[in-house]
Amino acid sequence: GAGVSQSPSNKVTEKGKDVELRCDPISGHTALYWYRQSLGQGLEFLIYFQGNSAPDKSGLPSDRFSAERTGGSVSTLTIQRTQQEDSAVYLCASSLDGRPGETQYFGPGTRLLVL
Amino acid sequence: AQSVTQLGSHVSVSEGALVLLRCNYSSSVPPYLFWYVQYPNQGLQLLLKYTTGATLVKGINGFEAEFKKSETSFHLTKPSAHMSDAAEYFCAVSGYSGGGADGLTFGKGTHLIIQP
Repeated sequence: GAGVSQSPSNKVTEKGKDVELRCDPISGHTALYWYRQSLGQGLEFLIYFQGNSAPDKSGLPSDRFSAERTGGSVSTLTIQRTQQEDSAVYLCASSLDGRPGETQYFGPGTRLLVL
Repeated sequence: AQSVTQLGSHVSVSEGALVLLRCNYSSSVPPYLFWYVQYPNQGLQLLLKYTTGATLVKGINGFEAEFKKSETSFHLTKPSAHMSDAAEYFCAVSGYSGGGADGLTFGKGTHLIIQP
């Protein structure tokens, strides 16, 4: 079956603009995760959804970052008023039901460049 | 709180030689441990994981890792390196903190270079 897909694959934006990143998890997976990968910070966990709920949003870097998930499927990560330090690869992953120790399956990522 | 330390940001081995990538973790709860591989411009692919049970875990592409609680380690090995093993390798930990599943905490990664 299809894996995790993300769009766009690449995004170039100007400082101060808003961007939306999309993640389509594996069909039937109830848990969805967002991570950020950057040269300076490595791989950082941002947020986790179980169904449409995000129990803990403390991993989001600032209040310019928000995420939602609707219908227990597609998720969007929105960055408002982008800054150059937001440039990174944003990875999405999904797992079957979010139990610890479950395999997380990663998408190919969205490479964001803020000019 | 959890953390992962990968010793060596770059490791170079000759084709056919032993591969050893080191990972040490810190966790306040029983850990679940993972090794992921990332090829250029691709997402992460699971190599293997430890949850419970047998401490020697075998994964894909001939890799294996051993969970050693006394040493808080989860080193990754492969007896004979192949050119196709050149990639970035990440060790990660997760654990149940009581508030629901945690996201993975990753190490900084080790870039594996295979010399012909």
